[in-house]
Amino acid sequence: VQLVDSGGGLIQRGGSLRLSCAASGYTFSNYWMHWVRQAPGKGLVWVARINGDGSDTTYADSVKGRFTISRDNAKNTLYLQMNSLRVEDTAVYYCARTQTGGYFDLWGRGTLVTVSS
Amino acid sequence: QTVVTQEPSFSVSPGGTVTLTCDLSSGSVSTNYYPSWYQQTPGQAPRTLIYNTHIRSSGVPDRFSGSILGNRAALTITGAQADDECDFYCALYMGSGIWVFGGGTKLTVL
Repeated sequence: VQLVDSGGGLIQRGGSLRLSCAASGYTFSNYWMHWVRQAPGKGLVWVARINGDGSDTTYADSVKGRFTISRDNAKNTLYLQMNSLRVEDTAVYYCARTQTGGYFDLWGRGTLVTVSS
Repeated sequence: QTVVTQEPSFSVSPGGTVTLTCDLSSGSVSTNYYPSWYQQTPGQAPRTLIYNTHIRSSGVPDRFSGSILGNRAALTITGAQADDECDFYCALYMGSGIWVFGGGTKLTVL
């Protein structure tokens, strides 16, 4: 059972980037999935959530309208499309799974996104 | 804007007991927020310690315990060990598909 996140890199302010998270070892479509980020030296910040069939999404105010979370259950993959990137979006982005009861029980290793000015 | 506050730092002696708390700007933390706690060492992904206020995740030793103390969620560590020196985060489920993490507590064991 694991999550492998990828797609991070160095991008200029105003640019776009798509992160991916490959799930394995469990029935992907049965679980809500999330992106959580952590700026260098800072704390964890919840970014976005998607339900099991992808029909419902929620976002933190700081990314609403710029980021889109999606999933492809046939490929067991979670995505985060990030547009209009800002310097303050620089962070390690973790994908994570929540269990019934609303807690994060499985985390990816994180992928670093650096937005340059 | 909902803010979840934790002590920025805390110090405990080896073998000692420490209680970290998780406070909500908009009111009291209750079990309805499904408080959970995570441990993170530098460069690593978080590890789940406690969920649903007090339930220990698989493999977590019983010297970690969760509760509601007054109007806050609390994580108590008894018999602190050197490898407990790391960052601890609480998370609250606000409902409607929204979560908020606390700012984290850096625990020093000395």
